[in-house]
Amino acid sequence: EPEVTQTPSHQVTQMGQEVILRCVPISNHLYFYWYRQILGQKVEFLVSFYNNEISEKSEIFDDQFSVERPDGSNFTLKIRSTKLEDSAMYFCASSGDGSVSYTFGSGTRLTVV
Amino acid sequence: GIQVEQSPPDLILQEGANSTLRCNFSDSVNNLQWFHQNPWGQLINLFYIPSGTKQNGRLSATTVATERYSLLYISSSQTTDSGVYFCAVEQFSGNTGKLIFGQGTTLQVKP
Repeated sequence: EPEVTQTPSHQVTQMGQEVILRCVPISNHLYFYWYRQILGQKVEFLVSFYNNEISEKSEIFDDQFSVERPDGSNFTLKIRSTKLEDSAMYFCASSGDGSVSYTFGSGTRLTVV
Repeated sequence: GIQVEQSPPDLILQEGANSTLRCNFSDSVNNLQWFHQNPWGQLINLFYIPSGTKQNGRLSATTVATERYSLLYISSSQTTDSGVYFCAVEQFSGNTGKLIFGQGTTLQVKP
C-alpha cells in the first residue's frame, strides 16, 4: 500500500534555530497538507497545498512557517526562529483528486529546547 | 466551521470486552475517517466512511450522514487496541478541503 514518508522521525533543535521537516507524499496525489499535534491535544490543520501554491492556511500558520515543493516528489515545512511552543508532532498528509481518503505520514516529533 | 465532538473522552475496558465510540459533527460532510493513534504517535487510518457501514476484522464503523454521526465498534478488545481514536471530517473552502479532527477518545484495554 502506498505510504507518505516523513523525515526525520525525531528532531531536537535549539530555540531560535530554523528547522525543515520533509515529506514524500504518495506519487499520484495532488493535495498536500501539514498538521500539528501538541502533546495530549487534538490534531490541528496548518496548511494545504495544491498546484504549487498554498490553498488554505490556518491562523497558526503565520510568517514563521513556509512550505515548498522543491521538486516532483518532496514537500517541506520550514519553521524559522523556533520557539518552545513549536514543540509538537508534525504530520504530513496527501490526498488524491476529489473527496477521497487522506493518507498521513508517521510524523516528525519536534522538540525545541 | 464544522464542529466535531467525540465521546466518551476516556474509556477503560477489560480485555475481551466490546465498545462503541461516537463522533458527532455539525454539518453535512463528504468525507469521514477514523484513525487510531498508537503509542508511538502514528496515525493509522482505520476507515474512510462518509456513509454506510464497513467492517475490518474486529473493528466496524457506521456513518449515518443524514443524522450527522458516526460510530466505531471494537469487539473482543485486545491490549494492542489501546491508544487514542480520532474521528475527522472534511471541510471545504473553495475548491480544496481539509480534515477537521475531534478531540479523540483515549482507550485503555487492561489485560
